[in-house]
Amino acid sequence: AQTVTQSQPEMSVQEAETVTLSCTYDTSESNYYLFWYKQPPSRQMILVIRQEAYKQQNATENRFSVNFQKAAKSFSLKISDSQLGDTAMYFCAFMKQQGGSEKLVFGKGTKLTVNP
Amino acid sequence: DTGVSQDPRHKITKRGQNVTFRCDPISEHNRLYWYRQTLGQGPEFLTYFQNEAQLEKSRLLSDRFSAERPKGSFSTLEIQRTEQGDSAMYLCASRTSRDTGELFFGEGSRLTVL
Repeated sequence: AQTVTQSQPEMSVQEAETVTLSCTYDTSESNYYLFWYKQPPSRQMILVIRQEAYKQQNATENRFSVNFQKAAKSFSLKISDSQLGDTAMYFCAFMKQQGGSEKLVFGKGTKLTVNP
Repeated sequence: DTGVSQDPRHKITKRGQNVTFRCDPISEHNRLYWYRQTLGQGPEFLTYFQNEAQLEKSRLLSDRFSAERPKGSFSTLEIQRTEQGDSAMYLCASRTSRDTGELFFGEGSRLTVL
């Protein structure tokens, strides 16, 4: 079974600064997807960024980028130029690419607070 | 595109009562998922449908839980004989078969069992 671990329950950062959220995972699969989802207070969860395991290049989406280390099974999220609207719970998630199971396996989340 | 909608948003019930939640996915999405999220935890998978077929169920889904998607559109999640441990946020999500993993989530239905 796959597991996802987020070792930082809470983090804070000053507006305009950079913050990195950590995620490690455990799997015996070679083909899979990794995701970071954002859950703002009292709002629905939305996708921040996605990484296919077969791609060596790290994914980027505007101010959001990942550091994907497949051998180390590490998948961290870097948020540059942090904004107040980035305040949210951030969840790292894993999904097998093929082989039946379609479920996302989530970590416990990191609560990020961006301070003015 | 109105997004994934869930109803009710909040439900307070007494232990032993039955509750039902409804989820309306994005219209062209053939896959629908139910997750449960308790305080301080990430969402935990409960079950998913492709069209009207329920393809996978978690062991978390005890025999008091039942989910349906009768016409491959909306879905219902029923909890019978509720227990205090059922208190949680129940999240619905949907996607198409073509998407590589991105789920579109609703705002959730919060259940409180007294």
